[in-house]
Amino acid sequence: DGGITQSPKYLFRKEGQNVTLSCEQNLNHDAMYWYRQDPGQGLRLIYYSQIVNDFQKGDIAEGYSVSREKKESFPLTVTSAQKNPTAFYLCASSIDRVSYEQYFGPGTRLTVT
Amino acid sequence: DQQVKQNSPSLSVQEGRISILNCDYTNSMFDYFLWYKKYPAEGPTFLISISSIKDKNEDGRFTVFLNKSAKHLSLHIVPSQPGDSAVYFCAASATGGTSYGKLTFGQGTILTVHP
Repeated sequence: DGGITQSPKYLFRKEGQNVTLSCEQNLNHDAMYWYRQDPGQGLRLIYYSQIVNDFQKGDIAEGYSVSREKKESFPLTVTSAQKNPTAFYLCASSIDRVSYEQYFGPGTRLTVT
Repeated sequence: DQQVKQNSPSLSVQEGRISILNCDYTNSMFDYFLWYKKYPAEGPTFLISISSIKDKNEDGRFTVFLNKSAKHLSLHIVPSQPGDSAVYFCAASATGGTSYGKLTFGQGTILTVHP
């Protein structure tokens, strides 16, 4: 049963702590993406990776970091430098860099207090 | 700078009637458009797409219309069903260069279909 897994579904952290959100896919997709959704706003691109060991900043990369050491994994670290980290985070993948149809995971809701 | 806009935050329709969701864009480089459907606490799922070489694409109850001169697209759902109640996101992409695969999303429209 192929798909994208994000864990955990809910995550709580204290301000000043770094936190890493997991994203795993078994679709054999080359490209992976991280988005953030805030109330009343669309999805905003944080980082994306079109191939293993390569990634690019999206529109709102400040305060975030990623790695892409394996094709199936694209973890996102929310650092203490991110001013408003509380949000719903969505991971997605697509077959390759030229495919527009993206498949999304169930999301992780991060709450930082 | 919101390059993709969905100006209606919500839409309410009766079951069996037509639902029309609208989306406007400002970037003339966008040439591929998608609609996604999202239920609460879940990730969006792909619904339908259209390339700028077309002005209409149909898939079952869902039809997307593209008006390039007006930089406007719309999603028609006929007939609407209660299970269609969800948030609908419009997304756009510019092919070529480093923009391949990058999607810009609108704010979403909450569709409620009443039985």
